[in-house]
Amino acid sequence: DAGITQSPRYKITETGRQVTLMCHQTWSHSYMFWYRQDLGHGLRLIYYSAAADITDKGEVPDGYVVSRSKTENFPLTLESATRSQTSVYFCASSTGLTETQYFGPGTRLLVL
Amino acid sequence: GEDVEQSLFLSVREGDSSVINCTYTDSSSTYLYWYKQEPGAGLQLLTYIFSNMDMKQDQRLTVLLNKKDKHLSLRIADTQTGDSAIYFCAESISGYSTLTFGKGTMLLVSP
Repeated sequence: DAGITQSPRYKITETGRQVTLMCHQTWSHSYMFWYRQDLGHGLRLIYYSAAADITDKGEVPDGYVVSRSKTENFPLTLESATRSQTSVYFCASSTGLTETQYFGPGTRLLVL
Repeated sequence: GEDVEQSLFLSVREGDSSVINCTYTDSSSTYLYWYKQEPGAGLQLLTYIFSNMDMKQDQRLTVLLNKKDKHLSLRIADTQTGDSAIYFCAESISGYSTLTFGKGTMLLVSP
């Protein structure tokens, strides 16, 4: 009964490198979301997905790429990491766009 | 436009009541949520209220909604040190958009 998991939990990388954050849910929820949490900004939506192969931009999508080939997985890729992408990243899932969202434990990313 | 605002910090003593406030701007909001984030963890849903309700009570939690003023509050009775966390208010609008979260209120409960 894993629920929603994220990996890695902590990641240190360098500017310019590609980084992929993984998210996996076991509930078969249709919707999945990626947020970043920063001091002073709260929680901001990066991308979301309504189903496999359907993704849409959120508030802050620039510099990020997502894919959803399987319902249970929703990886987030930083194609060329920048220091401004240092943040805590949360994945969430839900049964509907405005239904209760269930959050993963987060990935703490540091870009040097 | 959508905007959800909260005060950033609240400090109370154990056993007191805590009241966390939130204002939102979109009058067509249909659901309003309170999420809790404990240190080092993700957010978890505490409670929610439909926009056609004025109040909802769930054990120590009371949610009050004033639609005229677009004001939402979360009252925690008999606050405990385990209630120390960040509390996020969130709104959804008519089922056509994703949730909009406030910046969060950090609640610190001292013994």
